[in-house]
Formats: sequence, structure tokens, C-alpha cells
Amino acid sequence: DTGVSQDPRHKITKRGQNVTFRCDPISEHNRLYWYRQTLGQGPEFLTYFQNEAQLEKSRLLSDRFSAERPKGSFSTLEIQRTEQGDSAMYLCASSFTRTALDPYGYTFGSGTRLTVV
Amino acid sequence: AQKITQTQPGMFVQEKEAVTLDCTYDTSDQSYGLFWYKQPSSGEMIFLIYQGSYDEQNATEGRYSLNFQKARKSANLVISASQLGDSAMYFCAMRERNYGQNFVFGPGTRLSVLP
Repeated sequence: DTGVSQDPRHKITKRGQNVTFRCDPISEHNRLYWYRQTLGQGPEFLTYFQNEAQLEKSRLLSDRFSAERPKGSFSTLEIQRTEQGDSAMYLCASSFTRTALDPYGYTFGSGTRLTVV
Repeated sequence: AQKITQTQPGMFVQEKEAVTLDCTYDTSDQSYGLFWYKQPSSGEMIFLIYQGSYDEQNATEGRYSLNFQKARKSANLVISASQLGDSAMYFCAMRERNYGQNFVFGPGTRLSVLP
């Protein structure tokens, strides 16, 4: 297992276009998370899945954003009608935590860097 | 209100010297975990060290140690014997037992190690 994979690594799109990112978690992990990281800031939580159920959504996740995890494996994050403010790194993470604060069960991917021009 | 504060946007350290990166946090939860992550220019978040709120000893992992002062709500990262490869962004983060599975991150500190 090579860890959490994200595709693409970089995406440049014109304002108003739709984009979709994919995240493949570690295979035995049942939890999957999306974060957004703008330049010079730490990652901010967007949403979280346990298996295929989306259990939590941040207020940062506007109506233009949708995330799915249809079979409890890979996940997609779609942004519709992109705006320049959507330019950021989108990080995916997965976990199979035995306890709520297990520090070793949480793995991040390398992210997808989105630039909206 | 900011839950994680990192007051040093950038730090410089000479190779082989020790450096301390500051982190203060805010929570009303009794059970929480504090984490430090390293993010090199390639983008991945690399887990460095963890401190649980009930841990009495300060955490250590190789060259990394965490100076945990619970009453002051601080969790500073100490890197000993800095190496050129330590140049990166460093994020302090917290997870609270009562507030779900996600991390709250600080704004980060950019560490530059000078030869």
C-alpha cells in the first residue's frame, strides 16, 4: 500500500468551470477527510466520511462544493462554478482509528493544488 | 476565536543548533491531543510527534520533543541538532475528543535551517 493518493497533483482552471479531484485512501481505512489549505495558512477541515456516509460538513463547504464516497473506498470532491477564492491546496486524509485520539492512524495525501485564473 | 496560535511566521536556525517552535491552544475539552506536522514544499503532511492531554511525560521522538505545559496551554516543539532537511513549514494541530474526527491546525511556522 503506497499511502493516500490524490489526483491530479495540480489543476489550473478558468473561473466558472467545474473541477473534480479524486482521493484514494489507504485500503483498510474506513474514514476519509477533506481539508483545504490556502497560501500561508494551515489546513482547514471541509468534510468527513465514515465508509460511504458523509458524517460532518464544515460551513466552509458552500453549495458549490460536493463530496462523495460512493462505495466507501475512493472519494471525489467537486467544485462547481469555480471562483478565484477557491485557489488552494486540497488535502485528503484517511484513518482507521482505534481511539478518538490515536495519533498514528491518520495519514495525509500530498494534495491537489488548484489555481483558478 | 483561534484555537491554535503559532506566533512565529518564520524562524531561522543554524545547522546543528536547537530550535523551539511555539504553539498555544484553546479548548474546554478535558480530553484532547496535540500534534505537530511538517510540510515540506512537496505538500505532504508528515506526522512528527503527539502529546495526549493526560500524558504526564513530555513526548519525545528522536530529535523532536514536545514541551507540554498544560496549565499555560502551550505545546512547543523542540528540534535538536537541526539539519538542512528540516527546512519546511511546521504546523501545530489539535483534536478534541468531543468535537469529532477532524484536526484544527495553526497557521504554521516556516523554519529555515542555515548551513
